[in-house]
Amino acid sequence: AAGVIQSPRHLIKEKRETATLKCYPIPRHDTVYWYQQGPGQDPQFLISFYEKMQSDKGSIPDRFSAQQFSDYHSELNMSSLELGDSALYFCASSLDKWWGQQGATYGYTFGSGTRLTVV
Amino acid sequence: AQTVTQSQPEMSVQEAETVTLSCTYDTSESDYYLFWYKQPPSRQMILVIRQEAYKQQNATENRFSVNFQKAAKSFSLKISDSQLGDAAMYFCAYRGIKAAGNKLTFGGGTRVLVKP
Repeated sequence: AAGVIQSPRHLIKEKRETATLKCYPIPRHDTVYWYQQGPGQDPQFLISFYEKMQSDKGSIPDRFSAQQFSDYHSELNMSSLELGDSALYFCASSLDKWWGQQGATYGYTFGSGTRLTVV
Repeated sequence: AQTVTQSQPEMSVQEAETVTLSCTYDTSESDYYLFWYKQPPSRQMILVIRQEAYKQQNATENRFSVNFQKAAKSFSLKISDSQLGDAAMYFCAYRGIKAAGNKLTFGGGTRVLVKP
């Protein structure tokens, strides 16, 4: 079965450079999420998109931006990189049905992550 | 805001034995989803089990089962007949259902060690 594809798997950047991470959700999944996981920490939510619109936002730095494209893939753009941005970045996708005030989710599927190292 | 707490940083279990991981959460919502994720050394996040809050019956997936106590806001995971491959970090997670695209909120994780 198709999974969530993230690219690249590993990325090394210098301070103040920019980086772009890509995420290709499971086909027909309509929601994409981005998480950041530092060493020894639990994943921290950055941002999510439902049907190409931003749906929820976490503690994402202003230096970071993201979008979801017409084919549902998403990109996380990070500028002015800092040493503290070194982390594992996960993308996840889900099929969320939305009706009225409530929705349903069939669970998240995570990608393998992009390991970003800022030197 | 919802919070998820895992009070056990690390648990050790003998192979073939049973281990129970605890998780408590805080929410004002009446309907939500709870999950347990496994993160092995490869750091891939793998869904272990999922529970809908409106369901009274506890979810089970092979050797994995949960004890969901809604009133107590408790969601523990039991791993039966532990295997060496169960060694990993386990995260409890909460998700509301008020809107599409809502985030998963994770607990701090519990590291499970399996002794042969």
